[in-house]
Amino acid sequence: QQQVKQSPQSLIVQKGGISIINCAYENTAFDYFPWYQQFPGKGPALLIAIRPDVSEKKEGRFTISFNKSAKQFSLHIMDSQPGDSATYFCAASIRGFNKFYFGSGTKLNVKP
Amino acid sequence: DGGITQSPKYLFRKEGQNVTLSCEQNLNHDAMYWYRQDPGQGLRLIYYSQIVNDFQKGDIAEGYSVSREKKESFPLTVTSAQKNPTAFYLCASKGLADSSYNEQFFGPGTRLTVL
Repeated sequence: QQQVKQSPQSLIVQKGGISIINCAYENTAFDYFPWYQQFPGKGPALLIAIRPDVSEKKEGRFTISFNKSAKQFSLHIMDSQPGDSATYFCAASIRGFNKFYFGSGTKLNVKP
Repeated sequence: DGGITQSPKYLFRKEGQNVTLSCEQNLNHDAMYWYRQDPGQGLRLIYYSQIVNDFQKGDIAEGYSVSREKKESFPLTVTSAQKNPTAFYLCASKGLADSSYNEQFFGPGTRLTVL
């Protein structure tokens, strides 16, 4: 059973547009929700993360929106750039535990 | 520089061979992980270790083995029992003690190909 469901599988956005990737989870004990960015042939790197005590977190062009009641969170990339083209993974974990549950990934292609 | 190193970057294996992938970290992290990534798919957990000399199976442990004799090292052996080992293997680590820091750091990966 997949603990974190991610959509869409792939996304094409024009330069300057907004990229939106969504994730949903089932386990209400999750209390840490990171997003990772992965370029081809490289390891994932933490992009931004949120805890459920806030509904939004913004870092530069990247924003996480969190809806606790719906058990959903999403990544918004404003003013998308070709350099943002990568695969993005959402994840969830529980404080004090050390297992992470990853979404299946979204391959983003930003067209110039 | 602190970080996670994986070696080799590329590895070729003949069928029936065991191969060992190296993972070393100098972040003083207690927890270490191995994930497998197949094209177009997410990360699947193979094994993880929270402390030296202890490790737990992940979701796809069959055909793999690990050891954790030192805090900084967590090698993964892909055995001949793993029928479809061609994949990208990622090692990761995380600190345990500080609950405000849940970040998992990843290594650069090893691409294993079965010939």
